[in-house]
Amino acid sequence: EIVMTQSPATLSVSPGERATLSCRASQSVWSNLAWYQQKPGQAPRLLIYGASTRATGIPARFSGSGSGTEFTLTISSLQSEDFAVYYCQQYNNGPFTFGPGTKVDIK
Amino acid sequence: EVQLVESGGGLVQPGGSLRLSCAASGFTFTTYWMHWVRQAPGKGLVWVSHINSDGSNTNYADSVKGRFTISRDNAKNTVYLQMNSLRAEDTAVYYCARDRGYSYGYYHFDYWGQGTLVTVSS
Repeated sequence: EIVMTQSPATLSVSPGERATLSCRASQSVWSNLAWYQQKPGQAPRLLIYGASTRATGIPARFSGSGSGTEFTLTISSLQSEDFAVYYCQQYNNGPFTFGPGTKVDIK
Repeated sequence: EVQLVESGGGLVQPGGSLRLSCAASGFTFTTYWMHWVRQAPGKGLVWVSHINSDGSNTNYADSVKGRFTISRDNAKNTVYLQMNSLRAEDTAVYYCARDRGYSYGYYHFDYWGQGTLVTVSS
């Protein structure tokens, strides 16, 4: 099983600032990586797939990069609605594992 | 508008059974793979199972293999998760999710239901 790790566990950011979230896979997943956003009491929402392709309707301030084992999600200028938990997920090999999440909260 | 609506969750005793349903609308259900993903209270996301578009191919996480069965009724636009021999560690919100692939499994999920809570406790 591919183990996904995310850092930091919590990121405190002021509105308008840039946020950089990291995700690491225990072995190469090529570009088969997705990012999701989850707000309290809500279902996850797909943000990024293929490591860097924004899903339909996702604002341009969200961008993804990386390949192999190291990935980054960047939120260029945090808006109030972006404070949430972010999960990465590899879909290169079953079982299709998620990271433990990074909580982005207000500084 | 794509909608996925889960139902069937509730409180069940250890060793009991429950069947979850997910009613889909707003898209051509017969061409999409579907998945179940669960989230224990305060914890992260765990993929549980998938089913392909015609129901001929299924797969399960090791933690539920042999106890859970995924199925679908394309005439009713509904996917099911039959859960038997339930354990306390199966307690979670269960989400139905659509595979982003069209007629193919990409194993990531572009639409999610609101989830249904399953609590396994005596």
